[in-house]
Order: sequence, then structure tokens, then C-alpha cells
Amino acid sequence: EAGVTQFPSHSVIEKGQTVTLRCDPISGHDNLYWYRRVMGKEIKFLLHFVKESKQDESGMPNNRFLAERTGGTYSTLKVQPAELEDSGVYFCASKTSGADTQYFGPGTRLTVL
Amino acid sequence: GQQVMQIPQYQHVQEGEDFTTYCNSSTTLSNIQWYKQRPGGHPVFLIQLVKSGEVKKQKRLTFQFGEAKKNSSLHITATQTTDVGTYFCAGRGHNFNKFYFGSGTKLNVKP
Repeated sequence: EAGVTQFPSHSVIEKGQTVTLRCDPISGHDNLYWYRRVMGKEIKFLLHFVKESKQDESGMPNNRFLAERTGGTYSTLKVQPAELEDSGVYFCASKTSGADTQYFGPGTRLTVL
Repeated sequence: GQQVMQIPQYQHVQEGEDFTTYCNSSTTLSNIQWYKQRPGGHPVFLIQLVKSGEVKKQKRLTFQFGEAKKNSSLHITATQTTDVGTYFCAGRGHNFNKFYFGSGTKLNVKP
């Protein structure tokens, strides 16, 4: 069974540019989470999807961040325009409803210059 | 807002020594999970604790959940070089959608 995949693995952009991160969860996992880890700090919750619906987006930093999960399969996280403080590793995780184990993807390392 | 504090931030041990990392939550948790992230890797689920005072063991790893369900610890007996990585706790609050991660403890084991 394939794990959670994320694309790209690394992205280096300039301040003011737009970046879109993609997450493909494990097939059949209705729950999809986005997290961000800034160097040396905690893994911070951004938002949670159940299928295509946003269950909780209270962790999204501001309106420069937009997450979608059209069709309830893969998800995208767009940052527009990117700021320096957006740098970090963005993880996606998925799980089935009723289970507690989250499976993390390899992450996307975003660097904003 | 809800927070989970984790200490220490770093721990360097000699192979064979023990290691412990601690997590404390500002509020009562419904459960707590532990993850390990190897260098260059991603967090991998280790275990979940649900009951007050629960203790679970996985070989050399012992996980505890406090009586008040506000703190937890992970203890590794006789560390090995394969234990190297960052260990995170993640507490689930009363909003079942969210997990609050600690900042992680980076373990380095010298052979």
C-alpha cells in the first residue's frame, strides 16, 4: 500500500511569489491534516479535512493560505503571496475515520527568500 | 490557547544510557500519541495512550500517561544508535479534530 505522498519535496521561492503544495493521502483515508513545523519548534496544526469538507481550519495563519480538497482525494495548500515567516516544513497526514493513527507524508520544505 | 510543552529540547547520551522525554499540557487531554522522526524523515506513529495512569511498553520503550491526563513521558532503557531521532508527543484535546504537538526532543546517541 502506498503511503502519503507530498509534492514538491523542496521549494525555494521569493517573497511575494505563490507556491502550491500537494498532498496525496493513503487511498481510502477520509481524514487529511496539514501541519507546519518551523525549525526547532512544534509541529503546528493548520487544518483538517474530512473528505472534501473543512472540519477545522483554526490553525491557518492568515488569509494568504488556502487549502482545498476537491473530490475528497488529494489536497492542495496554496500560499499567496508568500512571506519570509512562511518558511518551514509542511507535513500532510491522513487517517481513516475511527482510527487514531495518523500517517505522515515526507513533508515539503518551503524556503521563502 | 491549548499548548503542549515538551522537554528537554535536546539530549545527548552514550549508547547504553537511559533517556526520558516529558510532555505537559495546559489542559486535560482526551488522549496522547507519541511519534518518532528519524533524521531526514517524517513523523512515524509509535503509540497512543488513552486511560488515566496508563503505562504501555514496546521493547525498551515505556510510555506513561499521567493520572490527571495532562502529562506524559517516554522512557528508553539502554539506548542504541538506532534510537537516534526526534520524539514528539501529540495531545488530543476536547476538539477531537486537533492534535497539539510538543516541540520535540532530539535524541543523539553516541556509540
